[in-house]
Amino acid sequence: AQSVTQLDSQVPVFEEAPVELRCNYSSSVSVYLFWYVQYPNQGLQLLLKYLSGSTLVKGINGFEAEFNKSQTSFHLRKPSVHISDTAEYFCAVTISGGYQKVTFGIGTKLQVIP
Amino acid sequence: DARVTQTPRHKVTEMGQEVTMRCQPILGHNTVFWYRQTMMQGLELLAYFRNRAPLDDSGMPKDRFSAEMPDATLATLKIQPSEPRDSAVYFCASLRDRSYNEQFFGPGTRLTVL
Repeated sequence: AQSVTQLDSQVPVFEEAPVELRCNYSSSVSVYLFWYVQYPNQGLQLLLKYLSGSTLVKGINGFEAEFNKSQTSFHLRKPSVHISDTAEYFCAVTISGGYQKVTFGIGTKLQVIP
Repeated sequence: DARVTQTPRHKVTEMGQEVTMRCQPILGHNTVFWYRQTMMQGLELLAYFRNRAPLDDSGMPKDRFSAEMPDATLATLKIQPSEPRDSAVYFCASLRDRSYNEQFFGPGTRLTVL
C-alpha cells in the first residue's frame, strides 16, 4: 500500500519570500503524485500533478514541484508567496495505471505574513 | 464550468436526528468518493463508488452511516442516528476513467450535531 508524509503541519512565511512544503511518499510500485490546495471554507482543488516524464512540474498560481524518485519526495515550491496563498496544502499519491484510490497526507497549513 | 455540487452546505441538527447529504458528481464522472475532514483526523476516506457500485466502505461506521448512489447523477451519505462526534465537513469528490485518478472535490457540507 502507498502512503504519504507531510513533514510540516504549519509553515509561516513572510510575503514575497520563497516557500517549500515537504512531501515524502512510500510505494513499491510506480505512482502518480498530486498537490491539492484548500482555501478556507472550500473544497480541495488541484494545484499540480506528476504522472511521468519531466520531474519538474509546474502548476497554477506560480507553484511548482519536483519529483525525486531516489529520495521518494515531491516537494512543493513557490519563489515568492502572496497573502492569497494562505491555505492548507495536501500532498497525495496513487498507484499508477488503472483505477486506484488516492491517499492524502495530513496537510500543511501555509500562513503568509504581511 | 463543470463542478461537483453538494447540498446542503451547512447543517445543524440535534443528536439522534437523521442527516442526509447529497452530491452531484461532474457529468461523465463514474467514480464518486465521500470524505470526512476534522481537525483531529484530517481527511478520511469513508466510501467510494464506481459505476454506482460500492467498492469500499471500510472507512465508514457501519452501524449509523450508509452511502448510496441511486443514479449516475446523485450520491447520498446518510447518518442515522447522528452523534456529536459526527460533526465535521463532509466532502464528495468525483473522477472519470483514464484521468490518472485526478479527483474533483465539491465545496463540502459542514455538519454540526448538538
